[in-house]
Amino acid sequence: DSGVTQTPKHLITATGQRVTLRCSPRSGDLSVYWYQQSLDQGLQFLIQYYNGEERAKGNILERFSAQQFPDLHSELNLSSLELGDSALYFCASSVQAGQRSIQYFGAGTRLSVL
Amino acid sequence: QKEVEQDPGPLSVPEGAIVSLNCTYSNSAFQYFMWYRQYSRKGPELLMYTYSSGNKEDGRFTAQVDKSSKYISLFIRDSQPSDSATYLCAMGSGTYKYIFGTGTRLKVLA
Repeated sequence: DSGVTQTPKHLITATGQRVTLRCSPRSGDLSVYWYQQSLDQGLQFLIQYYNGEERAKGNILERFSAQQFPDLHSELNLSSLELGDSALYFCASSVQAGQRSIQYFGAGTRLSVL
Repeated sequence: QKEVEQDPGPLSVPEGAIVSLNCTYSNSAFQYFMWYRQYSRKGPELLMYTYSSGNKEDGRFTAQVDKSSKYISLFIRDSQPSDSATYLCAMGSGTYKYIFGTGTRLKVLA
C-alpha cells in the first residue's frame, strides 16, 4: 500500500457528462500529480499541484481541471466526456515538488465513458 | 521520436531465469531514473531509483544506467511467477514531471 488513496475505484458514465475523481496524498506529502493511462498512450502526465497551488501542466485538455484543497487532497474534474476519455487515472504524491522527490502512486480510478 | 522507448513485450521466461528489461532515451537532460512495477489493474509501484550512471542493487533487482549510451536496464535475478507484471521505466530532469516508457509486460512461467 503506497499510502495514496483514490476514489472511486471505478466510474461508468455517459458521453457529455462530468465526473470528479478524488485523491488523498500520503501523510506529509505536499505535492500531488495526476496521470492518465490508456492502452495506446502509456502514462501521460496531466497536472501537478504543490501545497495548494498549480505547479505544472502537462497534456491536460481544457475540458479537464484540477485543484488541491487546504487539507492537501486533490480533485480532478473531467467534463463534456468523450469516449476517448475512457482510461485509468492515477494520482501520485511526493514530499516536495523537486526533481529528487520520488512519486508514489495510488491504485487509480478506472473511467469508462459509454 | 519518443523521448523514452521501451519494448512492450510480452516477454515470457521460465521461473529462475535472469530477466533483462531495457529503455532508451533521447533527452540528455534526464538526470534521474526509476523503475516501476505495475500489476494488472493496480497503480505503479516504485522498485528502484537512481541519480547516477552505474549499477544499483536491491535484493534480486539491479538497475543499471549508462548515460553515455542513453540506456537503462533492470535485471531481475531468480525470477518468480510473482514477478509477472508490467515494468515501466521513468525519467526526469530539472523539471517536475516524469516521462514514462510504455511498459514491458513480463510473464514468468512456473
